[in-house]
Amino acid sequence: DVKVTQSSRYLVKRTGEKVFLECVQDMDHENMFWYRQDPGLGLRLIYFSYDVKMKEKGDIPEGYSVSREKKERFSLILESASTNQTSMYLCASRSLAGGFYNEQFFGPGTRLTVL
Amino acid sequence: AQSVTQPDIHITVSEGASLELRCNYSYGATPYLFWYVQSPGQGLQLLLKYFSGDTLVQGIKGFEAEFKRSQSSFNLRKPSVHWSDAAEYFCAVAINQAGTALIFGKGTTLSVSS
Repeated sequence: DVKVTQSSRYLVKRTGEKVFLECVQDMDHENMFWYRQDPGLGLRLIYFSYDVKMKEKGDIPEGYSVSREKKERFSLILESASTNQTSMYLCASRSLAGGFYNEQFFGPGTRLTVL
Repeated sequence: AQSVTQPDIHITVSEGASLELRCNYSYGATPYLFWYVQSPGQGLQLLLKYFSGDTLVQGIKGFEAEFKRSQSSFNLRKPSVHWSDAAEYFCAVAINQAGTALIFGKGTTLSVSS
């Protein structure tokens, strides 16, 4: 089974702190994604990565950056956390093998609170 | 612009009753469509997906969905709901040929009453 793990389930940070959210997948997937999930807004794409050292902005990249130095790991960075970044963050990965229509596999999420 | 609409924010169904969750999409090309489920405190799990061929798609946990191009819909159904089906359900459409980006609906929360 594909496993996508996220470094923390719950995280509390202060305004202005630099925050790192880590995501690791164990299936050699090329694509990785970061979403944020807010009530009534569904999932919104922050950044995604086609492969190692590659990244693309999603719909809401402002205030975030990402890093993908190794294929299995995709990090989301909040350069200076703000209260409006309090949210659930979901990481996902996807294989390109076999075609364009493979599903994304999701981690359990990190609930981040910024005080 | 591409979009996915789930018209029902919250639905309550009695255990054993049938279920239909609605999903409408707006996308010019042939859509790749997905239904995911999120149980409380969990990540998203794929229920089923549609790309081409038979418009009735079977998924896990007894769910099925029907693609209707004329109505731009991809509604999720289950003939008999179990209490463990209480969760949030998301419809999504892949918006490029590579399938790398998904647009999600805002979700429908299903409650199951006894």
